[in-house]
Order: sequence, then structure tokens, then C-alpha cells
Amino acid sequence: KQEVTQIPAALSVPEGENLVLNCSFTDSAIYNLQWFRQDPGKGLTSLLLIQSSQREQTSGRLNASLDKSSGRSTLYIAASQPGDSATYLCAGSGGSNYKLTFGKGTLLTVNP
Amino acid sequence: NAGVTQTPKFQVLKTGQSMTLQCAQDMNHEYMSWYRQDPGMGLRLIHYSVGAGITDQGEVPNGYNVSRSTTEDFPLRLLSAAPSQTSVYFCASSYWDGAYNSPLHFGNGTRLTVT
Repeated sequence: KQEVTQIPAALSVPEGENLVLNCSFTDSAIYNLQWFRQDPGKGLTSLLLIQSSQREQTSGRLNASLDKSSGRSTLYIAASQPGDSATYLCAGSGGSNYKLTFGKGTLLTVNP
Repeated sequence: NAGVTQTPKFQVLKTGQSMTLQCAQDMNHEYMSWYRQDPGMGLRLIHYSVGAGITDQGEVPNGYNVSRSTTEDFPLRLLSAAPSQTSVYFCASSYWDGAYNSPLHFGNGTRLTVT
């Protein structure tokens, strides 16, 4: 069974800092990995999807990487802004079945 | 662009009552799913569907029923509400080619309280 872990559970940084959010998964047979953002009281918004054959994806100030051999994905946020404050979740699919398994998220606070 | 629409936004039920949470999407997505989100537990899959007439159980299906008669709609039925079903429920959809190769789109959720 795929298990997804996100550490730390919460992170607070000053505005302008570059930061990395971590996501670990137990089954290296992961098919793809998605990163989501969740604002308070809202649903999840997909940020980046890395397919099995890819190693990274970029969108604006965001870059996500996937290392299947080590069971890790990272989300890099450049020049963080207060508007980046939200909970960031990763989710992996594949392994023993094709169901999406979510981590519990990292609550990011960017202080002005 | 409506995307994924969930109704109602809030609901309070008494133990034993039944209700249906509605979910509709206008993106012609084959895949639709229901998750519940609880503090400390993360998101857990309840049921999912990969097309009209096709449904399957997720991680926590007990106490819930689904059906998929059209591509657009995927209602979630609570048969006899219990306090343990107090949660925030999210509907999500995506294109489907046999795997999660497309981004998952979420609704804004239904906050359910069972007293």
C-alpha cells in the first residue's frame, strides 16, 4: 500500500525566501505525482503533475522534481510571497493499484 | 467556467438521517471521485468512477453509496448518518486514460456535521 509523508507539517518563512517542501512515498513503483495547493475553506488546486517518465515540471516560480529511486519529491518555491501562504499537498498514484494517495500536507506561512 | 460544483456548502444532520451530496462537472471528465478530509487523517478516497455506469470503492466506502448515470454527475448518498461521518467532503474529477495522467480538479467542498 502506497504511503505518502510530508515533512514538516508547518513552515514559516520571511517574504522573498526560496524554500523547498518535501514529499516521501513508500512504493517506488509510483506512476505519477501531483502537487496541490489548498487555501482555507477551499478545495485543492492542482499546481504541477509529474508523470512517471519525467523528472521535473516547472510553472512560474514553482518547480517540482520526482526521484523514484529515493522515494522523494520536492516542490521548490522561488522568491516566496505572502500570497503563497496555504497548505501544500502531494499525492502519488501507482504501486499496487491506480488510486491516488495524499500526504497530510505542509502548512506554509510567508511573512511580509 | 464552472469546473466542479458541489452542493450544498454546509449541512447539519441528525444521527440516522439520510442525504445526498451533489457533484457536477462540466469538463466532460471520465473520472470522478469523492474524498473526505479530516484533521490529522488527510484526504481519504470514498468512492470513484471512471465513466457512466462504472463505480468502485475507495479506502473508506462504508456508509456511503454512489451511482454514475451521466458523465456530468456523481452524487454521494449517506444512508444513515453517524457522528463519525462529520467531515469535509470533496468531489474531484479528471480526464482518464487508465491512470492519473491528468490534473485532478476539486470542488470547494461540503462541510457536514452529524449531531
